[in-house]
Amino acid sequence: DSGVTQTPKHLITATGQRVTLRCSPRSGDLSVYWYQQSLDQGLQFLIQYYNGEERAKGNILERFSAQQFPDLHSELNLSSLELGDSALYFCASSVGEGTVSTEAFFGQGTRLTVV
Amino acid sequence: AQKVTQAQTEISVVEKEDVTLDCVYETRDTTYYLFWYKQPPSGELVFLIRRNSFDEQNEISGRYSWNFQKSTSSFNFTITASQVVDSAVYFCALSEALAGTALIFGKGTTLSVSS
Repeated sequence: DSGVTQTPKHLITATGQRVTLRCSPRSGDLSVYWYQQSLDQGLQFLIQYYNGEERAKGNILERFSAQQFPDLHSELNLSSLELGDSALYFCASSVGEGTVSTEAFFGQGTRLTVV
Repeated sequence: AQKVTQAQTEISVVEKEDVTLDCVYETRDTTYYLFWYKQPPSGELVFLIRRNSFDEQNEISGRYSWNFQKSTSSFNFTITASQVVDSAVYFCALSEALAGTALIFGKGTTLSVSS
């Protein structure tokens, strides 16, 4: 158990809908990262928050947004969903601001299926 | 540009065989970190190791060992006396100090160990 908690584990929704994925980092970790794992793109970095502020952005679509709350949990919002958004979404957390100095521990992921 | 290549898509071995998973990386940074993660069939990403670019010492942890060679930009992972429980997808990843905090993942190598 990595200590990073993601909910829900599975989500099935229709095209055009909006969903929210939730992540609770390990106790004491200030950074939260979101990654998307799909068959064609592999594991891709989406966005990072550190202590409530956005720190880095990757290949995140404009239809997607995220935030980190004062209690450090984070939510990834996916809207106007398309079939191609079906993927495994991972949250990771680390103590410091970047993975260059600390290990990043991953949650179990949320499997999103868009039908 | 940063890139991680895992040329072996799938490897199949029989229990007790040794197996080496290859990882070649590209980066312009002099300071960077390399990681290996394991993704078992259950789907979570399990952290295995992190090495920084200034430490080329090989590491051994039980049946696992890692060989880091800057001269060939490789960070290979060897499992000695493989077991069925080693069956998983293994990802090599790179994090650059200057480019940001995200992990750049390879496409992964699927290891199947049969009894």
